[in-house]
Amino acid sequence: EPEVTQTPSHQVTQMGQEVILRCVPISNHLYFYWYRQILGQKVEFLVSFYNNEISEKSEIFDDQFSVERPDGSNFTLKIRSTKLEDSAMYFCASSDSLDRGNTEAFFGQGTRLTVV
Amino acid sequence: AQSVTQLDSQVPVFEEAPVELRCNYSSSVSVYLFWYVQYPNQGLQLLLKYLSGSTLVESINGFEAEFNKSQTSFHLRKPSVHISDTAEYFCAVSDPSSDKLIFGTGTRLQVFP
Repeated sequence: EPEVTQTPSHQVTQMGQEVILRCVPISNHLYFYWYRQILGQKVEFLVSFYNNEISEKSEIFDDQFSVERPDGSNFTLKIRSTKLEDSAMYFCASSDSLDRGNTEAFFGQGTRLTVV
Repeated sequence: AQSVTQLDSQVPVFEEAPVELRCNYSSSVSVYLFWYVQYPNQGLQLLLKYLSGSTLVESINGFEAEFNKSQTSFHLRKPSVHISDTAEYFCAVSDPSSDKLIFGTGTRLQVFP
């Protein structure tokens, strides 16, 4: 069964460093998403991406964050200068439907980012 | 804006007992409702969803959820749980005009033999 894969499963980085989280969405999907979950808190939407541009983003997704689909298969989330409060589990997701809100998003297993 | 509340952070239950995981939402518009499950070391998987029509929806592994508009609830139930149901369960809503899912904080279901 096709699945969304994320690498690495756990990343430790020093505060102020840049980090790139990688995701390989399901191959025929068109919509891509990043969510995050700070320990003990809700899973929060960060950004959606369609047709090589950001479709929607939350207030969390500030100038420190960027997304890219560099080669037609990978979908990356970059944090330019990490802060302690960026420590969280980051989930990538993808979907194939244009029907907003009614779409099954397929999630990866997550990357746990720890900023020290 | 939409929000989701899952009041129970953990629900311990013995195998073959019934279980209910509670979910309440608030929204000023009609929403779609979802339950996702996360097994250990895996991603979030869609368990079931309510879009319209029958207020009772079922999953292939025996879970069901009922949309109750007057109580703004979408509780998840199973009449007899298995050890393999041990996981984190997330309730979520989506706005038909938006790309995003709004999640609750999750409920960890722990099934004991």
